[in-house]
Amino acid sequence: GDSVTQMEGPVTLSEEAFLTINCTYTATGYPSLFWYVQYPGEGLQLLLKATKADDKGSNKGFEATYRKETTSFHLEKGSVQVSDSAVYFCALSENTGGFKTIFGAGTRLFVKA
Amino acid sequence: GAVVSQHPSRVICKSGTSVKIECRSLDFQATTMFWYRQFPKQSLMLMATSNEGSKATYEQGVEKDKFLINHASLTLSTLTVTSAHPEDSSFYICSARPVMNTEAFFGQGTRLTVV
Repeated sequence: GDSVTQMEGPVTLSEEAFLTINCTYTATGYPSLFWYVQYPGEGLQLLLKATKADDKGSNKGFEATYRKETTSFHLEKGSVQVSDSAVYFCALSENTGGFKTIFGAGTRLFVKA
Repeated sequence: GAVVSQHPSRVICKSGTSVKIECRSLDFQATTMFWYRQFPKQSLMLMATSNEGSKATYEQGVEKDKFLINHASLTLSTLTVTSAHPEDSSFYICSARPVMNTEAFFGQGTRLTVV
C-alpha cells in the first residue's frame, strides 16, 4: 500500500539555521502531498501542499517541491526561528480508491535561541 | 477554507463507560470522513474510513465493536469508544474530504483520558 517515510528526529538547530526535513513516498497512483505542523497539545495545521509533479508548495518561509522522479517532497526553510519548534508530518492523500491521507512518522524540530 | 469541527476537545471518563466524539463538516458536505488515533509522540494512525449511509471500513487491527462509527449525514460522523479502558486514552482526530477535492480537512482533535 501507499506509505510515507520521513527522516527521524529530533532535529535540533540554532536560530537562523537552514532546515531540511526529508520525505519520500510510495504510491500506486498520483497522490497529493502535504506538510502538516503540530504544536504541543494541539491538532494539525496544514503548512503547505502540492497536487502534481513539479509543483512547489510554500508558506511562512517553508517550501517543498513535488519530485515524481525521486518520489520526494522534502521540506526546507532558509532561516528557522524558535517559534518553528514543533512536530512536522509529511503526508500523502490518495486521489483514487479510498482517498485516505497517510502520514509519515513525524519529525520533531527544536530551535535554540 | 473548509472547516471541520470536532467535539469535545477533551474528555475524561471512567473505565467501563462509553464516550462519543462528534466530527462535523461546517461548510461543506463530506461523503467520506476519516478517524485517526495518535499516541504520545507518535504519528497519526488511520483507524477507519466513515462512509455516509453505509458501514465504516476499519483498518487492520482496529476493533469494530470497540470503536463504533456512525456517519448518519453528509456533515456528521461520530466515533463511540465503548467500554473504555485506560489503554484507550489517546488523541483522536477526524478529517473530512469534500467531493472532488485533493485535500482533507482536519478537526482539532479530542484528547480522551480514561481513568
